[in-house]
Amino acid sequence: EVQLVQSGAEVKKPGESLKISCKGSGYSFTNYWIVWVRQMPGKGLEWMGIIHPGDSDIRYSPSFQGQVTISADKSISTAYLQWSRLRASDTAVYYCARQNWYDYNYAFDIWGQGTMVTVSS
Amino acid sequence: QSALTQPRSVSGSPGQSVTISCTGTRSDIGGFNYVSWYQQHPGKAPKLMIYDVTKRPSGVPDRFSGSKSGNTAALTISGLQAEDEADYYCCSYAGRYTYVFGSGTKVTVL
Repeated sequence: EVQLVQSGAEVKKPGESLKISCKGSGYSFTNYWIVWVRQMPGKGLEWMGIIHPGDSDIRYSPSFQGQVTISADKSISTAYLQWSRLRASDTAVYYCARQNWYDYNYAFDIWGQGTMVTVSS
Repeated sequence: QSALTQPRSVSGSPGQSVTISCTGTRSDIGGFNYVSWYQQHPGKAPKLMIYDVTKRPSGVPDRFSGSKSGNTAALTISGLQAEDEADYYCCSYAGRYTYVFGSGTKVTVL
């Protein structure tokens, strides 16, 4: 089964660092781009950035450039999203998703279950 | 990159049709035929419903259809059913491997 499995919910304090993960299975992880999407409580989806695990080519949304770091470890089929200093405004659900160029061009066909990140003092 | 503009909500009775608009610019919707639509039920991950403006992935009912004119794309749900009640988001490719989502529309089945 093709799937993306994300790490579990996190509760952090402002100023702390955090790295969440997204592990792909059932397909060739290095052949598909992975995107990260933020959904703040009660709000819509926001595209944060995208990475190609095969060569670590990364693009960021201007809104998130410098605020987060996207990376991947192709040896363990895992993509990451990390913060060096969290803020309360980072409280959200974060999704990873696969961009399937082969079947759906510029669309995201497989989604992780989401990781809830809560930042509170 | 501003979010694509969608109506906050639309509603319809079972069996009726509803259409959700998604307005962008020449830099996104108007510049590429790569608009996709996602359905999201509460507490769940989004699900791909339409890609390449008009195409449906296998398993998506044919009552879902997409279209585009200029800088505006649209999703039409014909023969509305109770299970179609959800949030819907458009998404457009914006060049150089960047994307932009719509603001989201809540579909209510009366």
